[in-house]
Amino acid sequence: EIVLTQSPGTLSLSPGERATLSCRASQRVTTSYLAWYQQKPGQAPRLLIYGAFNRATGIPDRFSGSGSGTDFTLTISRLEPEDFAVYYCQQFGISPWTFGQGTKVEIK
Amino acid sequence: QVQLQESGPGLVKPSETLSLTCTVSGGSIGSYYWTWIRQPPGEGLEWIGYFYNSGSTNYNPSLKSRVTISADTSKNQFSLKLTSMTAADTAVYYCATVRGGYNWGFTDWGQGTLVIVSS
Repeated sequence: EIVLTQSPGTLSLSPGERATLSCRASQRVTTSYLAWYQQKPGQAPRLLIYGAFNRATGIPDRFSGSGSGTDFTLTISRLEPEDFAVYYCQQFGISPWTFGQGTKVEIK
Repeated sequence: QVQLQESGPGLVKPSETLSLTCTVSGGSIGSYYWTWIRQPPGEGLEWIGYFYNSGSTNYNPSLKSRVTISADTSKNQFSLKLTSMTAADTAVYYCATVRGGYNWGFTDWGQGTLVIVSS
């Protein structure tokens, strides 16, 4: 099983600031099989990024993904009020499909 | 755009079997990986398993002995059965799609249904 470790656990930032979220895998993950999600309280997760760096339909370009191998990053270039949420990375490379434990982006 | 809607009991007794159904609109059962994911209150996400393309299934080993995912293509529905429920199975259960190919992501989600295990 591939374990995904996200850091930091909580990120305290102000609107307009840049957010950098990390996801480290216990084994190499093919970039095609790495995704990122946003989840707000009481809502289902929403796909942000697939294939490590491809934005899903309707996702603003302030969201970007990068990385390869075992280290992946989600960057939010300038935080908008609606971006404060929990973010998960997830892999499809090896079954079972697994999620990271999440990073909470909170208002400072 | 595919729409998904979970349905089933919100309360299950310990040792009983949970049965949930996901109704699909705007797409065909045969096209995607039809998956179940759960999230205990205040915790992270856990993939349960999927049904794909005329009967292929794959389950999380942590649940494999207790889970069955099946589909009824005539009704455009897929279902989850989880046996021997305990309090540890209390969670919001989501159905979701994966398109595969060049798009590996849980693209469409139901709104989720909270299942509480309690006597």
